[in-house]
Amino acid sequence: EADIYQTPRYLVIGTGKKITLECSQTMGHDKMYWYQQDPGMELHLIHYSYGVNSTEKGDLSSESTVSRIRTEHFPLTLESARPSHTSQYLCASSETGMGQPQHFGDGTRLSIL
Amino acid sequence: AQSVTQLGSHVSVSEGALVLLRCNYSSSVPPYLFWYVQYPNQGLQLLLKYTTGATLVKGINGFEAEFKKSETSFHLTKPSAHMSDAAEYFCAVSASSGSRLTFGEGTQLTVNP
Repeated sequence: EADIYQTPRYLVIGTGKKITLECSQTMGHDKMYWYQQDPGMELHLIHYSYGVNSTEKGDLSSESTVSRIRTEHFPLTLESARPSHTSQYLCASSETGMGQPQHFGDGTRLSIL
Repeated sequence: AQSVTQLGSHVSVSEGALVLLRCNYSSSVPPYLFWYVQYPNQGLQLLLKYTTGATLVKGINGFEAEFKKSETSFHLTKPSAHMSDAAEYFCAVSASSGSRLTFGEGTQLTVNP
């Protein structure tokens, strides 16, 4: 059972809409991450946070933004969705410290028409 | 810098046969190594991890992996495949200086009856 929750699980929406993907964890982890994954492909880190009010861009350039106002909450926002944003978005969290594994949510599958 | 190479994007085995999924890494510092499994429409689930100590690591669902520093490898094995093992498997490395993960491209395991 997951202690990290992503909503919605699936979203189909039109071009130009503002979208927020929610991610919450109940484990008290300071570190949180957003990955983008196309079907059957590798994961690409797009954003991460090491604590409240800390956010950094990941390895893959993304037009999305994130915020970290509360430890447990790490939402990702797309101001104006485009078809190129169609993908699966995975949220993860981990404890502070070396070698800590990341715990993943079930993902949001986003389709932009 | 660190990187992960998974040899074989698709592996097919018969039920009851040995499963061997290959992972080689490069890291300029001692690595932490992980194997994750992803079932369709789900996030990633941790199978096992190597941090320090014993080089043969046992994980969930009967999987194990051996860290071989001289070969820079961390191959995943299971003596007898089960139909429920069919999934995507990802190897990941984290440098000892941080917690960001670098993922391989994944290996899709098919189990034939």
